[in-house]
Amino acid sequence: GAVVSQHPSRVICKSGTSVKIECRSLDFQATTMFWYRQFPKQSLMLMATSNEGSKATYEQGVEKDKFLINHASLTLSTLTVTSAHPEDSSFYICSAGGQVMNTEAFFGQGTRLTVV
Amino acid sequence: DQQVKQNSPSLSVQEGRISILNCDYTNSMFDYFLWYKKYPAEGPTFLISISSIKDKNEDGRFTVFLNKSAKHLSLHIVPSQPGDSAVYFCAASVYGGTSYGKLTFGQGTILTVHP
Repeated sequence: GAVVSQHPSRVICKSGTSVKIECRSLDFQATTMFWYRQFPKQSLMLMATSNEGSKATYEQGVEKDKFLINHASLTLSTLTVTSAHPEDSSFYICSAGGQVMNTEAFFGQGTRLTVV
Repeated sequence: DQQVKQNSPSLSVQEGRISILNCDYTNSMFDYFLWYKKYPAEGPTFLISISSIKDKNEDGRFTVFLNKSAKHLSLHIVPSQPGDSAVYFCAASVYGGTSYGKLTFGQGTILTVHP
């Protein structure tokens, strides 16, 4: 099946710093990617839809200035958590496929962010 | 507003028996449903899906049943194996159009299959 690669898998950063997470579609082109967040023992919540060549669409309650999304190419979307705080510590997961491939969405491996 | 609900946080089953995981949804716009399996600190892995034009889809040991009138779906795993132990997420989306690929997830059910 299609492969979506996410990097890094784990990151620890200090409060106030910014962290960039990359999501790549390895064997297909994705005009749309999705970013989710999962808190411990909770569901995956959609944060935003990343659109290649245009602005991301954010879900209600998600701060677009805090979670910057860049989808500059058909195979790469990045999520930057700016001025990170401990409450931003979470598991972030991207997905691609679906719309483009008319199949189910494929997920990256996820990134565990810990802000200390 | 939880549009997709998995009311059982956990399920414990003996190896070889059937596992039945349930999921309910409230948004009648959803017409495509998926089940994902997830291990801690990993992304979800697709298992099986079903379109709203069907009421059953089978793939090996996995069968998904959809009851549109009740807005309910279930995943059956037969026979269950210890390797099936994981968190199972039900997800829903609107097929096609600009929303396709955008998933709404349930809370997940932890399945434990005992040898």
